[in-house]
Amino acid sequence: AQKITQTQPGMFVQEKEAVTLDCTYDTSDPSYGLFWYKQPSSGEMIFLIYQGSYDQQNATEGRYSLNFQKARKSANLVISASQLGDSAMYFCAMREGISTAGNKLTFGGGTRVLVKP
Amino acid sequence: NAGVMQNPRHLVRRRGQEARLRCSPMKGHSHVYWYRQLPEEGLKFMVYLQKENIIDESGMPKERFSAEFPKEGPSILRIQQVVRGDSAAYFCASSPPRDRGSTDTQYFGPGTRLTVL
Repeated sequence: AQKITQTQPGMFVQEKEAVTLDCTYDTSDPSYGLFWYKQPSSGEMIFLIYQGSYDQQNATEGRYSLNFQKARKSANLVISASQLGDSAMYFCAMREGISTAGNKLTFGGGTRVLVKP
Repeated sequence: NAGVMQNPRHLVRRRGQEARLRCSPMKGHSHVYWYRQLPEEGLKFMVYLQKENIIDESGMPKERFSAEFPKEGPSILRIQQVVRGDSAAYFCASSPPRDRGSTDTQYFGPGTRLTVL
């Protein structure tokens, strides 16, 4: 089974509107972390936001917020007031466990976002 | 504070040659990870190292691939006798030492694009 699933391969969003990118995950570990990264066409991976499994509140970071629904095992990224520079691939990733051997990230397949002017 | 450095950014090799990819982690970071990204796919974990130790190499191909993170100098990902299927983007990431409250966020370098002719 896929550990991280991003069901939207691509989507368009109008500039200044909000967009929600879906991410569901699968783990039996009670301790895990969820991350979102942005990959623009230039290729680098940019860290956006983090949500820990024990965090009581949804993470927010500027225009990025994470809609964390633990029971449903979903961690959707919301980008508010989209800008042209938000056009990129977006990856959801998970780190399982708290042991040193559990530090690797498992990535979803990504969602390509194109912001229209 | 410089980010994660990778070099070269682009590397072209002929089949059968060796490829050496270098990664210098962020200052103060003692954990290094290597990931591979095939076109239009998410990143796949390869190996996790600390200084002079390989902690998790569960994602490394059994042959031709090796990694090290010596006491001094950058981490090296080495691919011997490259084949066309090795063509990909190779990303290095680093994270700080684990302590209480650490999110273990991994920060990525710009990647090395390897092309095998």
